[in-house]
Amino acid sequence: KAGVTQTPRYLIKTRGQQVTLSCSPISGHRSVSWYQQTPGQGLQFLFEYFSETQRNKGNFPGRFSGRQFSNSRSEMNVSTLELGDSALYLCASSLGGGDQPQHFGDGTRLSIL
Amino acid sequence: SQQGEEDPQALSIQEGENATMNCSYKTSINNLQWYRQNSGRGLVHLILIRSNEREKHSGRLRVTLDTSKKSSSLLITASRAADTASYFCATASGSNYQLIWGAGTKLIIKP
Repeated sequence: KAGVTQTPRYLIKTRGQQVTLSCSPISGHRSVSWYQQTPGQGLQFLFEYFSETQRNKGNFPGRFSGRQFSNSRSEMNVSTLELGDSALYLCASSLGGGDQPQHFGDGTRLSIL
Repeated sequence: SQQGEEDPQALSIQEGENATMNCSYKTSINNLQWYRQNSGRGLVHLILIRSNEREKHSGRLRVTLDTSKKSSSLLITASRAADTASYFCATASGSNYQLIWGAGTKLIIKP
């Protein structure tokens, strides 16, 4: 069974630009969660989608948005990039229940110049 | 928000020794999960322990849960260089499917 795939693996952008990151979950998984990981703040929850609906949302500004398609693939978009958005963005998929483990991709390393 | 707090923040031991890391949390939970993250990679699920369980084993891993103290511990026995990684605990509560994560323990195994 293929794991969670995130593309691209690395991305360099400049301030003010926007970016779209992609996540393909494990086949059969309907829940996709997104996290931002930085050395200073640790793992911060962005949002979770389940069957194309946003089910949970973290405490991030509206510049961060996401969506999920009917095949469970998900994208997250960050607009008007700031230097502080430099981070590793991780996607995790699961079957969706609260007692289900999450399966992570290797992330997209986003650097803002 | 981060509910779990791992202790210690960093741990360095010799290969072959046992490594113990702890996780404390604030609210009642349905389950607690431990994950490992190798440098620059995604997290890997290690073990899930439900609130009505006190201890669970998986290979060289032993997890305990004390709901009265709102704490859990992860023991790695006979450590190996490949165990060098960061270890995170995460809790699931109520009907909310969102996991709440701790800040992690960085484990270094010296050869």
